[in-house]
Amino acid sequence: DAGVIQSPRHEVTEMGQEVTLRCKPISGHDYLFWYRQTMMRGLELLIYFNNNVPIDDSGMPEDRFSAKMPNASFSTLKIQPSEPRDSAVYFCASSYGSGNQPQHFGDGTRLSIL
Amino acid sequence: GENVEQHPSTLSVQEGDSAVIKCTYSDSASNYFPWYKQELGKRPQLIIDIRSNVGEKKDQRIAVTLNKTAKHFSLHITETQPEDSAVYFCAAKRGGGNKLTFGTGTQLKVEL
Repeated sequence: DAGVIQSPRHEVTEMGQEVTLRCKPISGHDYLFWYRQTMMRGLELLIYFNNNVPIDDSGMPEDRFSAKMPNASFSTLKIQPSEPRDSAVYFCASSYGSGNQPQHFGDGTRLSIL
Repeated sequence: GENVEQHPSTLSVQEGDSAVIKCTYSDSASNYFPWYKQELGKRPQLIIDIRSNVGEKKDQRIAVTLNKTAKHFSLHITETQPEDSAVYFCAAKRGGGNKLTFGTGTQLKVEL
């Protein structure tokens, strides 16, 4: 199993630019989660999907952030326009089923906004 | 919503000693408690989890205990090794949902 695949691994861009992060969940998993990790705020859940439908987006910081899941094998997290305070590591995770199943994390995208 | 507190924030032990990390949660409806290990620059990896119908679970040198009445759970690592050095996160999930709330992490350092 290839695990959760995220791209890019690193992104450096200037303030005001659009940033798109990508995620491919583990095949067969029906839940997909986007997290942000910073020293100050720790590991925060931004949004999660079930069967490609957004279930809880209460963690999305503001309207500059949006997430989509057009099919079962692909999701994007977009920031437009980006700001320096968006600099963080963004993780995607996936899991299977509605019971108490573990979430499996991707390797993350380290985002730096200059 | 759920609130998870984790202590200590840093822990230094000698190789071969035991390490204990403690977490408390606020939502009595939480019923799933995973622990993740994150090495520097790497992704969080699940190392053990426990469900609310179990009081203790063990996997080789790692064990987790759960006290539902007191709403706390702990990670125990015995015979620590240098490769155990990492940040450990506890988490809690409310029954009926899939949202994990994470603790703030414990930086464990195992010294030779």
